[in-house]
Amino acid sequence: AIQMTQSPSSLSASVGDRVTITCRSSQGIGHDLGWLQQKPGKPPKLLIYVASTVQGGGPSRFSGSGSGTDFTLTINSLQPEDVATYYCLQNYNFPWTFGQGTKVEIK
Amino acid sequence: QVQLVESGGGVVQPGRSLRLSCATSGFSFSNYAILWVRQAPGKGLEWVAGISYDARNKNYADSVKGRFAISRDNSKSTVSLQMNNLRSDDTATYYCARSFTASPDHWGQGTLVTVSS
Repeated sequence: AIQMTQSPSSLSASVGDRVTITCRSSQGIGHDLGWLQQKPGKPPKLLIYVASTVQGGGPSRFSGSGSGTDFTLTINSLQPEDVATYYCLQNYNFPWTFGQGTKVEIK
Repeated sequence: QVQLVESGGGVVQPGRSLRLSCATSGFSFSNYAILWVRQAPGKGLEWVAGISYDARNKNYADSVKGRFAISRDNSKSTVSLQMNNLRSDDTATYYCARSFTASPDHWGQGTLVTVSS
């Protein structure tokens, strides 16, 4: 199975900061990667798919980049409502695998 | 609007069985793959199983292979997850989600399965 290594596991940043989360796959997955946001007690919500396409209705401050084995989720100008845990997910082949998650808090 | 609603969760003893259902509405069900993802209390997300739009392809995580079975009824827009020989480490909230060709874009609210004696 493809392993997804996500970092950092948690971060604390100020409102308005630029935040970067990275995800590395154990083998090349092309662009078959998504980023999901999960707030406490809620189901995950898709933010980004095929590595860099923002899901319809998603805030423009979220962006994704990368291909192959290295991927990045960037939150430009962190907002209080962005407090959540973020996961990457590879859908290149089965079994699909998630990163361990990154918990984002406000400093 | 797109809806996925899970049901069937509950408390079950180790070794017993449980069947989860995912009822959907608001989209062309027969065009979408459906997957199950679970989350143990306080832990991360784990993909469990997926079924293609036409039910020809079914895939499972190694942790559930041979114990869980996914199926779908395109006439009723529902997907089921039959879970047999349940173990304590199967305790989790189980989500169903739809996928067209990429990452799952709509998720249900989840149903909690607790395996305990």
